[in-house]
Amino acid sequence: NAGVTQTPKFRILKIGQSMTLQCTQDMNHNYMYWYRQDPGMGLKLIYYSVGAGITDKGEVPNGYNVSRSTTEDFPLRLELAAPSQTSVYFCASSYPTGTENEKLFFGSGTQLSVL
Amino acid sequence: KQEVTQIPAALSVPEGENLVLNCSFTDSAIYNLQWFRQDPGKGLTSLLLIQSSQREQTSGRLNASLDKSSGRSTLYIAASQPGDSATYLCAVRRETSGSRLTFGEGTQLTVNP
Repeated sequence: NAGVTQTPKFRILKIGQSMTLQCTQDMNHNYMYWYRQDPGMGLKLIYYSVGAGITDKGEVPNGYNVSRSTTEDFPLRLELAAPSQTSVYFCASSYPTGTENEKLFFGSGTQLSVL
Repeated sequence: KQEVTQIPAALSVPEGENLVLNCSFTDSAIYNLQWFRQDPGKGLTSLLLIQSSQREQTSGRLNASLDKSSGRSTLYIAASQPGDSATYLCAVRRETSGSRLTFGEGTQLTVNP
């Protein structure tokens, strides 16, 4: 199984540029998440989705947008990139919370630098 | 607001030693707690998930305990190996936070041969 696949693995953006981070999962998970991890820090939730067509903000949503048109895909859009968005971005998925097996499965991350 | 703290930030031990990693949280009204492993340049791998009604979970050489009332969890690693070297993070899901997890900053473990 591929699990959670993120592309690209690395990207350098100039200030003000836009880009979309792609995430797809093949485990038929309803729940999907986007986190960012800054050096030496824990993960911060950007956005999450509990199913196709449903998204909600996390702790740090400003400067980002998401969509969830299918169960498998959950792209993260950065508009007008800023240096503060330099980080490692992780996509994750899980079965619905409250079920017996709600462990999160993570992609391998996208390292983004905004210069 | 839930805060999760992991101490120490880094730990170095000789191979074969038994060790304990600590995780504390400020709001005891949690639904569950997960321990993750993160290898350099990789995503996180869920190791153990403990529901609030449970006291511990075991997987191989790993044992995680949960004391909800005191706001603490420990991850015990028996007979450590160099392959255990990684960063270990804990994350809690509060009863009122829906799907949101609050992560600690992690403990970077090095097991020396």
